[in-house]
Amino acid sequence: GENVEQHPSTLSVQEGDSAVIKCTYSDSASNYFPWYKQELGKGPQLIIDIRSNVGEKKDQRIAVTLNKTAKHFSLHITETQPEDSAVYFCAASIGGSQGNLIFGKGTKLSVKP
Amino acid sequence: NAGVTQTPKFRILKIGQSMTLQCAQDMNHNYMYWYRQDPGMGLKLIYYSVGAGITDKGEVPNGYNVSRSTTEDFPLRLELAAPSQTSVYFCASSNLRGRDTQYFGPGTRLTVL
Repeated sequence: GENVEQHPSTLSVQEGDSAVIKCTYSDSASNYFPWYKQELGKGPQLIIDIRSNVGEKKDQRIAVTLNKTAKHFSLHITETQPEDSAVYFCAASIGGSQGNLIFGKGTKLSVKP
Repeated sequence: NAGVTQTPKFRILKIGQSMTLQCAQDMNHNYMYWYRQDPGMGLKLIYYSVGAGITDKGEVPNGYNVSRSTTEDFPLRLELAAPSQTSVYFCASSNLRGRDTQYFGPGTRLTVL
């Protein structure tokens, strides 16, 4: 079946450094790629998304890049802060725009002050 | 606007017992989803609904049932609980399917002993 691989599973950075999380997907029809942040004891929350007709998208300290040829996309967080500490999930739509999402296994990011 | 609400927050079941996890949303979303989250395994889709009266299986539907009699409510039924169903369950809703923000509830932590 279709799947999304996410790396690394854990990531520890110093406050102020950058963090990068990478995902690869298998479904060539995928065209929507969201990133979710999950804080301890809470449900996931969308932080940024990108569609297949765009190569990069930025929102303040967060950016996402997409390489459709290589079937991979990445989340970049610059100037990390302790409140960025959380689990991050990437996802990809299955079967195009009318399909459901398939999620990666998550990356636990720790930002040390 | 409460978003997506789930009850209960925690529950302990004995093997063979049954229970219903409640989910409600007040955003008038057509699409609703049930996921389970196991440690290090990301989110797996159990069932989803595209509107009142219409439901379909996701990736891991065995041992669960759902119904959708109204736009707002999407309960998940566990029959004959098994230890393998120990997990955190999240309900989500979205305006569009496969290419839109999914709004998650706070989750239900279920333990089957």
